[in-house]
Amino acid sequence: DIQMTQSPSSVSASVGDRVTITCRASQGISSSLAWYQQKPGKAPKLLIYAASSLQSGVPSRFSGSGSGTDFSLTISSLQPEDFATYYCQQANSFPLTFGGGTKVEIK
Amino acid sequence: EVQLLESGGGLVQPGGSLRLSCAASGFTFSNYAMNWVRQAPGKGLEWVSVISDSASITYYADSVKGRFTISRDNSKNTLYLQMNSLRAEDTAVYYCAKYLGYCSGGSCPRWFDPWGQGTLVTVSS
Repeated sequence: DIQMTQSPSSVSASVGDRVTITCRASQGISSSLAWYQQKPGKAPKLLIYAASSLQSGVPSRFSGSGSGTDFSLTISSLQPEDFATYYCQQANSFPLTFGGGTKVEIK
Repeated sequence: EVQLLESGGGLVQPGGSLRLSCAASGFTFSNYAMNWVRQAPGKGLEWVSVISDSASITYYADSVKGRFTISRDNSKNTLYLQMNSLRAEDTAVYYCAKYLGYCSGGSCPRWFDPWGQGTLVTVSS
């Protein structure tokens, strides 16, 4: 199975800050990576797919990059509605696997 | 609007069974592979199973293989998850989710969008 490791597990930031979350795969997955946002009590929401493609309706302050084993999600200017937990997911092979999550908290 | 609505969760004793349903609307259900993903309380996300658009292909996580069965009824626009021999560690919110797009030539866009609101399964005596 492909293991997905996210870092950090939590980050404290202020509105307007630039925040970057990283995700590392245990083996190369090309660009087969997605990022999701989850707010408490809600279902996850797709933000980024194929490592860098912005899902329709997602604000342009979210961006993704990387390929192979190392990936990142960047929020260019953190907004109040962005405080949530973020997960990466590899789509290269079954079983599909997620990272452990990164909680973005208010500083 | 694409909507997925799960039902069938509840409290069940260890060793018991439960069947979850996911009613789909707002898209051509029979054109999309469908998934179940779960989240234990306070924990991260775990993919459980996928079924192809025609139901001819299924995959399972090792943690549920041999105990859970995914199926679908395209005439009813409904996805199912039959869960047998339930264990305490199966306690979770179970989400159904569709792939972002069509599968073509054996290649699928294995991104989940959208997700249903989830249904809670609690396995406890």
